[in-house]
Formats: sequence, C-alpha cells, structure tokens
Amino acid sequence: NAGVTQTPKFQVLKTGQSMTLQCAQDMNHEYMSWYRQDPGMGLRLIHYSVGAGITDQGEVPNGYNVSRSTTEDFPLRLLSAAPSQTSVYFCASRFDRGLGSTGYTFGSGTRLTVV
Amino acid sequence: SQKIEQNSEALNIQEGKTATLTCNYTNYSPAYLQWYRQDPGRGPVFLLLIRENEKEKRKERLKVTFDTTLKQSLFHITASQPADSATYLCALAGNQFYFGTGTSLTVIP
Repeated sequence: NAGVTQTPKFQVLKTGQSMTLQCAQDMNHEYMSWYRQDPGMGLRLIHYSVGAGITDQGEVPNGYNVSRSTTEDFPLRLLSAAPSQTSVYFCASRFDRGLGSTGYTFGSGTRLTVV
Repeated sequence: SQKIEQNSEALNIQEGKTATLTCNYTNYSPAYLQWYRQDPGRGPVFLLLIRENEKEKRKERLKVTFDTTLKQSLFHITASQPADSATYLCALAGNQFYFGTGTSLTVIP
C-alpha cells in the first residue's frame, strides 16, 4: 500500500515554463486535493476534487489547473510558472467527501523553485 | 475570514515532561478538529481528530481537548521523547479545511 505518491520531488523551472506535478493514490479515496506550503503561511488549498470528473477551486487557484479523469490520479498543472509559485506542493487524499470526518493522507511533497 | 493561531514560538521541553500545544481559532465552527505531525522535508501525518461534541480524545500518549465555547484545542503529549520532536499542525475541518502554521516542538534528552 503506497498511499499518496507525488513526482517529481524537486523541480527548477524558468519563469514562463509550464509543467505538471503528478499525484496518485491507491487507497480508493474519493477526495483529493493540492496544497502549497510557504513559510509562515501554513498549508493553503489550491484545488480539490470530490470524485472522478469533479474539481473545484480552493483558496489560491490562480495559475494552476487540475483534472480528475480517474479516482487514482489528480495532476496539477502550472500554466506559466512565476517566481511567486516557488513553494512546496503537497497532494493529499482522504476517505470522506466532506465535513472532515477522516484525516488526510499526504504525499511527500514537491519542492518547486521558479527562477 | 477564519483565523487559526498556534503557539507562535517554538516549544522546548525536557524528556519525560508533558508537552502542551495550543490551537485557537475564530470566525468558523468546525465539525472536527484534526492534529498532524510534520517532520522536516516530509508531508504532514494525521494523528487524531476530535468532533465538535467531544470534550476530550486520547490515543496512546496523545490527548486532545476541544472547547467550542473558547474556540480552542489543546494537544498534549505525555512522557515526551526526543522522537516526538517535530512540527505539529492543527486543522479545522468542516465544509472547508483550514490548517494552522504549526508549532515546532523540541524534546531535549
């Protein structure tokens, strides 16, 4: 049982480049989400999905796109990287689809630097 | 907007003592309050949650209290060990999820 797998672990991008952060989970969780973690800011929700084919915006969605074609996969796309997107990105999933009655399982994170 | 405050200063305690971490919040009524542990360079790991109608929850050496009137949760680690050194995050969970910035705990041998 691998849990939540994120790739890559580290990435350096130039301003204006695009890329996709991959996330896969093998726990059959319906709810998946992407967070970014910045010093002093805590974890902030970028996008989330309550099931295949359903996505919605979180607190800081600008500059990012997501899709959910399968229960297992939830990739995050950076459309045109900016230095403000330098951060650590976490994918997380949980069993419940709302109300937070179960805890998140987090991936190990992607450390992204935009120069 | 909602606001979550955790101990802003790092917490250093002696091994064997009880560590107490605080999570205060405003402008939100969560259905659950969750606690996570995060080690450097790793993702947060879920520890335990407490419902809004529960006063206290225990799991091994961990104890969480939840006072919806004070809008506060306390997280206790009894008989602390150096291996408990980490950053601990609280999260308000309901229709939305909100994470605190965390409290860094160091247990000194």
